[in-house]
Amino acid sequence: DAGVTQSPTHLIKTRGQQVTLRCSPKSGHDTVSWYQQALGQGPQFIFQYYEEEERQRGNFPDRFSGHQFPNYSSELNVNALLLGDSALYLCASSVGISSGANVLTFGAGSRLTVL
Amino acid sequence: RKEVEQDPGPFNVPEGATVAFNCTYSNSASQSFFWYRQDCRKEPKLLMSVYSSGNEDGRFTAQLNRASQYISLLIRDSKLSDSATYLCVTDGSSNTGKLIFGQGTTLQVKP
Repeated sequence: DAGVTQSPTHLIKTRGQQVTLRCSPKSGHDTVSWYQQALGQGPQFIFQYYEEEERQRGNFPDRFSGHQFPNYSSELNVNALLLGDSALYLCASSVGISSGANVLTFGAGSRLTVL
Repeated sequence: RKEVEQDPGPFNVPEGATVAFNCTYSNSASQSFFWYRQDCRKEPKLLMSVYSSGNEDGRFTAQLNRASQYISLLIRDSKLSDSATYLCVTDGSSNTGKLIFGQGTTLQVKP
């Protein structure tokens, strides 16, 4: 049973560039959330996708956008990269957006370095 | 003020020791509470949920004090393999999958 898979695992970009990160949820899960984890900090919620719509959003600028596909996989896009966007980006999947939604399974993350 | 606050540590303890971590949360409407474990450069993994009545899983005991808005994790008989960062997590009252993480507390168990 495959868990949450993310790609790429590591990537290096320069300031001003754009990046797309991808996530496939755990089998049986239909909700995908994205978190940003800076070095030495806990993960911070970026947004959540369910039924191909953004359902909740954290305190992140519009440079961060996403998408969910009919097969429940998801992408995170970040435009106009800043040095401060360097972080581990974690995808988490769950079931629905009510009581079961708090049981998250995380992927191994995509480590983004912005130079 | 952060919504979930933890002492980042590190806590350095010898094998076999008992160690306790506390965390405080600011939103009194929070409904769900968790402890996650994160190994170096790995993803967070759920260690245990925290219930109002307190709960135990082997060497790990979690407690919730709603009146004081703090959560604790007690690890008895520490093992080398317990070395990790422990993240205190709440749902911030949403119960919809938006989790709020503390900074994490680093534990290093020494032989």
